[in-house]
Amino acid sequence: NAGVTQTPKFQVLKTGQSMTLQCAQDMNHNSMYWYRQDPGMGLRLIYYSASEGTTDKGEVPNGYNVSRLNKREFSLRLESAAPSQTSVYFCASTSSPERGNQPQHFGDGTRLSIL
Amino acid sequence: TQLLEQSPQFLSIQEGENLTVYCNSSSVFSSLQWYRQEPGEGPVLLVTVVTGGEVKKLKRLTFQFGDARKDSSLHITAAQPGDTGLYLCAGVVDSNYQLIWGAGTKLIIKP
Repeated sequence: NAGVTQTPKFQVLKTGQSMTLQCAQDMNHNSMYWYRQDPGMGLRLIYYSASEGTTDKGEVPNGYNVSRLNKREFSLRLESAAPSQTSVYFCASTSSPERGNQPQHFGDGTRLSIL
Repeated sequence: TQLLEQSPQFLSIQEGENLTVYCNSSSVFSSLQWYRQEPGEGPVLLVTVVTGGEVKKLKRLTFQFGDARKDSSLHITAAQPGDTGLYLCAGVVDSNYQLIWGAGTKLIIKP
C-alpha cells in the first residue's frame, strides 16, 4: 500500500543551492499536485499536472519548476533556494478531478529548511 | 481570489466535551471536503459533502454543507483523545476542480 511516496523526508539547504523533490504514485492517477504547508496558512498549491504531459501554475509558483516525468512521477525543483521557501512540501494525486468529489491522496511530506 | 475561512484556528478541550469547527466563504463550491492530518503525515480525507444542506455522519463526527454551498461545519460529539489532530476543509472550485484550502483547526483533546 505505497500510495504516494515522497523523497527525501527531510532536507537542509543553504541559500542559493538547488534541489529536486521527488514524488511517485502507484494508483494510476491522472492528476498530481505540489503544495506547501506553512503554519496558519493551510495548503497552498504550487504547481499541478492535470494529466501526463501537462503542467500548470498554482497559487504560489515563483521560485519553483516542475516536471511530469511520466504518469507515476511528478518532481518539484528549487533552482536557487531562498529562506522564504522553508516549508513542508506535500505531493498529492487524484484520479479524475473533473468527475468531482475525488479525494486527493497525499504523501507524508518533505520538511525543507533553507539557511 | 477565493478564500475559505476556517475557525477556530486552535481548540483545546477536555475529553467528553462537544465542539464545532466552521469553514466559511463568500464563494460557492461544487462540493467540500474535510481532511484530518496527523503530525508527520499528509492529510487524509474524512468526508465529501456535495449537496446544499447535506448532513453526513461518521460515528461521532457530523458534517454539514450549507444550503448555499458556501459554508460547512464539523461537529464532534463527546470528543476523545484519539480525535486530536489538524482538521482541514477544502472547497472544490467548479471551474477548474482545484481545491481551495482552509488554514486548518488544530484540535487537542485532553484526557
